[in-house]
Amino acid sequence: AQSVAQPEDQVNVAEGNPLTVKCTYSVSGNPYLFWYVQYPNRGLQFLLKYITGDNLVKGSYGFEAEFNKSQTSFHLKKPSALVSDSALYFCAVRDDGNKLVFGAGTILRVKS
Amino acid sequence: EPEVTQTPSHQVTQMGQEVILRCVPISNHLYFYWYRQILGQKVEFLVSFYNNEISEKSEIFDDQFSVERPDGSNFTLKIRSTKLEDSAMYFCADRDYPYNEQFFGPGTRLTVL
Repeated sequence: AQSVAQPEDQVNVAEGNPLTVKCTYSVSGNPYLFWYVQYPNRGLQFLLKYITGDNLVKGSYGFEAEFNKSQTSFHLKKPSALVSDSALYFCAVRDDGNKLVFGAGTILRVKS
Repeated sequence: EPEVTQTPSHQVTQMGQEVILRCVPISNHLYFYWYRQILGQKVEFLVSFYNNEISEKSEIFDDQFSVERPDGSNFTLKIRSTKLEDSAMYFCADRDYPYNEQFFGPGTRLTVL
């Protein structure tokens, strides 16, 4: 079965600094990987995806993610964090039946 | 930009009562999903629906749960006899063919007392 792991419950970063939120995956076959963000009392918003092609994918709000097949990772990155980026971030992988399997989530706190 | 909408935003019910959670997917999207998120836990898949049939369901989706697309726009999740452990945030999602990303609604917070 497909699975993802987000090893950090929380990531703290200062505004203006680069941020990384980690995700590793376990799949059989080619991975279809996604990042979603959840703001308080809101639904999940799609940020970006990796299906095939370039290992560096760019998404919404200046976020990008790097797919690394050898390390089975799909870390979310942003060159310069904003306080408004503070939220709960979920990594997900598409299962064979097209459902999404989510990681446990990582709280990102950006301090000014 | 079109969005998935869900009603109600918050539902409080007594144990044993039936609840219906409603979703209006994005027009022309063909694949529909329900997920739930128990407070403090990860988002879990419940069921997927395509062409008026359930495509896949999880172990959570037992006989107490059902889904329906009663008309061309609504997609509902019914829980026949709610239990305390059904308290969670329920998210509707949809997907357009041939794309892979799913778009989520804002969720319905279900509280079973």
